Amino acid sequence: GNSVTQMEGPVTLSEEAFLTINCTYTATGYPSLFWYVQYPGEGLQLLLKATKADDKGSNKGFEATYRKETTSFHLEKGSVQVSDSAVYFCARASGSARQLTFGSGTQLTVLP
Amino acid sequence: NAGVTQTPKFQVLKTGQSMTLQCAQDMNHNSMYWYRQDPGMGLRLIYYSASEGTTDKGEVPNGYNVSRLNKREFSLRLESAAPSQTSVYFCASSEESAYSGNTIYFGEGSWLTVV
Repeated sequence: GNSVTQMEGPVTLSEEAFLTINCTYTATGYPSLFWYVQYPGEGLQLLLKATKADDKGSNKGFEATYRKETTSFHLEKGSVQVSDSAVYFCARASGSARQLTFGSGTQLTVLP
Repeated sequence: NAGVTQTPKFQVLKTGQSMTLQCAQDMNHNSMYWYRQDPGMGLRLIYYSASEGTTDKGEVPNGYNVSRLNKREFSLRLESAAPSQTSVYFCASSEESAYSGNTIYFGEGSWLTVV
């Protein structure tokens, strides 16, 4: 089936630490992949995306590479800030239903 | 820029009551969606509308109905609320299908509690 599995949280890091949030997916074909971020009390907003294999999405210092060999789309940031504290969702497009399938979300807290 | 606007933001219902969540987008998008968010489960699609005049069931449609009133508006109705429907509801829209990489834009959420 179509599913998204992401690293369970919560994740707590100190400011300027390196961040990795793992995400793997199951799929037939090569669907578009996304990372969305949800700040406290707000709706989700797109962080980055990749629409084909080997593409790298990047935004605000975050990066993720579409790896078809490992069916992964891990989120990374070299130096996190307190303002990055949020819940991060990995998602894949579902062609049959024309919508997104989301992972369960990873809560990130960055301490000063 | 308003984007996706949903109302109400907070609502408490008694079991068996009915209510409608309203959603409107001002981006001239064709596709609209209703998701629910529950702890540890991410977002799950309730219903979606690929274009004006069409609606389709998502992953968890039971207990809900939707209406795509026009291109801008997509409402979600709970006919007889149950405690299992306590959740945060998000309306969203995209220009076209998400499959080809189109970004989905979300509203700020509606917190619904059924007692």
